[in-house]
Amino acid sequence: GESVGLHLPTLSVQEGDNSIINCAYSNSASDYFIWYKQESGKGPQFIIDIRSNMDKRQGQRVTVLLNKTVKHLSLQIAATQPGDSAVYFCAPKARDKLVFGAGTILRVKS
Amino acid sequence: DTGVSQDPRHKITKRGQNVTFRCDPISEHNRLYWYRQTLGQGPEFLTYFQNEAQLEKSRLLSDRFSAERPKGSFSTLEIQRTEQGDSAMYLCASSPTTGRRKNEQFFGPGTRLTVL
Repeated sequence: GESVGLHLPTLSVQEGDNSIINCAYSNSASDYFIWYKQESGKGPQFIIDIRSNMDKRQGQRVTVLLNKTVKHLSLQIAATQPGDSAVYFCAPKARDKLVFGAGTILRVKS
Repeated sequence: DTGVSQDPRHKITKRGQNVTFRCDPISEHNRLYWYRQTLGQGPEFLTYFQNEAQLEKSRLLSDRFSAERPKGSFSTLEIQRTEQGDSAMYLCASSPTTGRRKNEQFFGPGTRLTVL
């Protein structure tokens, strides 16, 4: 079956530092990957996506890296801010469905 | 606001009662998804529609659950004879099937169900 795992369930960083959130996935058929941010009491919010034919994509303050060989994704957040505190999910997509892991809690210390 | 909306935002019910939730997707999106999320977990896929056709249902969706999207716009999710294990956040998402953002799912704020 499909599974998605995260290496660090909770990540605490100092404001201004860079954050790296990792994600492993199991389904080699996944062709598209999305990172979502979820704040308490809200639905997941799109951050950045990457297709399987890419290994890196950059957005505003965020970079996603994809290593298909080892089925691993990472989300890098530059200059982390208190507003970045949330749960982060990677969601590989296969056959029109997203498969979410348990998420990583990011706590930003001021 | 032109995002995905869900109603109600919160529902408290007694075990054995039926509940119905509504989702209004982004208007030009023809795909609509339902997910369930319990505390400390990521969303789990339940079912999805393309227009009015229900294309896939998860094994998680027992026969007490039914979803409809009669006119290809809003959708309803009904849970009959609710059980305490149904307590969760029910999330709806929609996505376009064409264009640059065709794979991206846009989520609503969710309906939090508590079964007493």
